[in-house]
Amino acid sequence: KQEVTQIPAALSVPEGENLVLNCSFTDSAIYNLQWFRQDPGKGLTSLLLIQSSQREQTSGRLNASLDKSSGRSTLYIAASQPGDSATYLCAVRRKSSASKIIFGSGTRLSIRP
Amino acid sequence: GAGVSQSPSNKVTEKGKDVELRCDPISGHTALYWYRQSLGQGLEFLIYFQGNSAPDKSGLPSDRFSAERTGGSVSTLTIQRTQQEDSAVYLCASSPTGPSDTQYFGPGTRLTVL
Repeated sequence: KQEVTQIPAALSVPEGENLVLNCSFTDSAIYNLQWFRQDPGKGLTSLLLIQSSQREQTSGRLNASLDKSSGRSTLYIAASQPGDSATYLCAVRRKSSASKIIFGSGTRLSIRP
Repeated sequence: GAGVSQSPSNKVTEKGKDVELRCDPISGHTALYWYRQSLGQGLEFLIYFQGNSAPDKSGLPSDRFSAERTGGSVSTLTIQRTQQEDSAVYLCASSPTGPSDTQYFGPGTRLTVL
């Protein structure tokens, strides 16, 4: 059974800091891994999608890495801004059941001006 | 272009009643997903449609839940004989071809069962 864990559950940092959000998964046989953000009362917005064969993806100030052997992914946010405040969710698809996506419980990020 | 839309945005119903939730995916997207987000359970996969293939229903919590997708576009999630534990936000997402693609989410339908 695939379990996805995100630590910490909440994080508050001052504006301008670089930060790392962590995601771990128990089954390394993954199809891909995706990072989303969710703003209060809104749906999810996809940030980065890392296929099983890839080690990292970058978009602007965001960089996500994937280490299947250790069952870990990190989302790096550079030069954080108040607009980055949201809940960040990690989601994994297993190779054995690629249609089903399993979400972590999220990290609630707050960037203090 | 238009994103994924869902209706209604909010639905309040009485225990035991049936409800229908609607999802309009992005035009041309062949893959469509339903999820449920509740306080106690986080985000859960419910069902996946891909083109004309049989849907993956492995996430549906009980036989009171069903979904259909007509003409490969609009999808309806139906919950029969609603229970209070069905209260949650129901999210729909679509992607161009399937699991290897980025998913685009709708704003969700907040269901409250009294």
